[in-house]
Amino acid sequence: KNEVEQSPQNLTAQEGEFITINCSYSVGISALHWLQQHPGGGIVSLFMLSSGKKKHGRLIATINIQEKHSSLHITASHPRDSAVYICAASGAGSYQLTFGKGTKLSVIP
Amino acid sequence: SQTIHQWPATLVQPVGSPLSLECTVEGTSNPNLYWYRQAAGRGLQLLFYSVGIGQISSEVPQNLSASRPQDRQFILSSKKLLLSDSGFYLCAWGPGYEQYFGPGTRLTVT
Repeated sequence: KNEVEQSPQNLTAQEGEFITINCSYSVGISALHWLQQHPGGGIVSLFMLSSGKKKHGRLIATINIQEKHSSLHITASHPRDSAVYICAASGAGSYQLTFGKGTKLSVIP
Repeated sequence: SQTIHQWPATLVQPVGSPLSLECTVEGTSNPNLYWYRQAAGRGLQLLFYSVGIGQISSEVPQNLSASRPQDRQFILSSKKLLLSDSGFYLCAWGPGYEQYFGPGTRLTVT
């Protein structure tokens, strides 16, 4: 069974800082997901990637398949980025997700 | 465009009472459907998934069950709720490996 580890668990940043959240997984995957969960609980899918790098606005996600590692970067962080960011992995040949425990990000003005 | 609905948004139920949570998807056909639970202070956990009508796979043995009576309808049920069933329940749909989440139902069992 895949295990997904995220770090750090909690992160506090000043507005404008560059932020990195890391995710590692134990076995081969079909896809790696980054999700954002706001205080109300709703979850938004940010990225799904199986190789390389994706960018959307100030968010960048990268994955290194050989090292079983992915990172989520936020450039020029803003208080509205405050949320829990969750990494999740689809096992090889499977649509089911295994989730990390999440990283709680607080961006202070 | 596709949308996913869940109801109710919040629910407070006594221990031992039945449960029915509904999820529907619009704008797509034959989606993969998922039920997840997030217990307080814990990560998301897959409960059930379905790749078609009447096809349900369970990931975690418990007193919950799921059904898919129609292509775009997914129902989570329990005959008798336990305190440990409290949590945030999310439905998701996906074409392939992508997954899109519903707004969730916050269930408190008292």
